[in-house]
Amino acid sequence: EVQLVESGGGLVQPGGSLRLSCAASGFTVSSNYMNWVRQAPGKGLEWVSVIYSGGSTYYADSVKGRFTISRDNSKNTLYLQMNSLRAEDTAVYYCARGRDGYNMYYWGQGTLVAVSS
Amino acid sequence: QSALTQPASVSGSPGQSITISCTGTSSDVGGYNYVSWYQQHPGKAPKVMIYDVSNRPSGVSNRFSGSKSGNTASLTISGLQAEDEADYYCSSYTSSSTLFGGGTKVTVL
Repeated sequence: EVQLVESGGGLVQPGGSLRLSCAASGFTVSSNYMNWVRQAPGKGLEWVSVIYSGGSTYYADSVKGRFTISRDNSKNTLYLQMNSLRAEDTAVYYCARGRDGYNMYYWGQGTLVAVSS
Repeated sequence: QSALTQPASVSGSPGQSITISCTGTSSDVGGYNYVSWYQQHPGKAPKVMIYDVSNRPSGVSNRFSGSKSGNTASLTISGLQAEDEADYYCSSYTSSSTLFGGGTKVTVL
């Protein structure tokens, strides 16, 4: 059974850093199309970043240069390193995996990041 | 890139059919067969209802169907039920990102 479990969220001051983790089971992270998606309170879904099975990475303009997506094959875990955090980064962050293509078929339960002084 | 365009709200009575549109461009919706639709109830994670334009995951009711014409994709919910009341989002793959629609609140009258 495919499972995605996010962790690492919390309260952080503006300008601070946080690393989110997405522990996967039932499949191999490195062989799949993996994304981070966020949702600010009361707002819609916003794509944040992707890492392809081949290792290529892409970012939304709103986080480019501040966030880094990566994976640890030995831990079968996806990460999102978030630096220079801003109030507008406050959101629930979800990891999502594709199935047989470039979709987001499987989702985790999300982890809340709050950026505030 | 701009978000995909969805109506803010759609409503219908139980048993009726409703359709939610999702309009993009030839660089996203029109250029790839990777349009998905997600249902989200308050406080819950999104759940995929349709992927790759018209594929329905196992376990999703066949009352949900998807299609695409040009730069516009559509989600149809037939035989509307109270449990269908939720927010619905479309998404489309692009060459270097994914775009989401702004979301549509479906209300069952």
